Amino acid sequence: GENVEQHPSTLSVQEGDSAVIKCTYSDSASNYFPWYKQELGKGPQLIIDIRSNVGEKKDQRIAVTLNKTAKHFSLHITETQPEDSAVYFCATSEYGNKLVFGAGTILRVKS
Amino acid sequence: SAVISQKPSRDICQRGTSLTIQCQVDSQVTMMFWYRQQPGQSLTLIATANQGSEATYESGFVIDKFPISRPNLTFSTLTVSNMSPEDSSIYLCSVEDRGGTDTQYFGPGTRLTVL
Repeated sequence: GENVEQHPSTLSVQEGDSAVIKCTYSDSASNYFPWYKQELGKGPQLIIDIRSNVGEKKDQRIAVTLNKTAKHFSLHITETQPEDSAVYFCATSEYGNKLVFGAGTILRVKS
Repeated sequence: SAVISQKPSRDICQRGTSLTIQCQVDSQVTMMFWYRQQPGQSLTLIATANQGSEATYESGFVIDKFPISRPNLTFSTLTVSNMSPEDSSIYLCSVEDRGGTDTQYFGPGTRLTVL
């Protein structure tokens, strides 16, 4: 089955700096790659996603890049703010199949 | 995106008892999912629940332990049966986007503690 590895497990950045979280996956048939943000005591919130026919997608301060050849995708957060502090999960799926999640990254933005 | 609510938001239960968690969506959806998130861990899919058919369980999860109902297109329940402290987790429901894509939206979760 699909295996998703996520790095780093924890990430501390200074407010205003950029943060990058990377995931690698094993199943070349995977074609959907969402990122979720989970704040303490809340459910995961979809923040951005990308499909296999696109190499990069941006939404304000958040961007996701996908390298299908190397089977990895990354979340980029620019100009980080304290409210970006949360746990971030990557996931993959093959169309119509279940989501498989990475282990998560705890992001701390220090002000 | 769909608005999803779960009840209860949290509970503390005694071992050997059962708890039923409700998931309500503000629109009709075909596919609903139940996940478990153990303390400090990632999300693990328990089962997929489609209206009008039996739930499909993932490896390691069985219907006797986690019976699921899906009586209509906006509601589902997950029961955690004969609980033990190892069942202490956050239980999350999610729904698939109405457009039939892979996109899933999650409810707020039910935080369960078993003593």
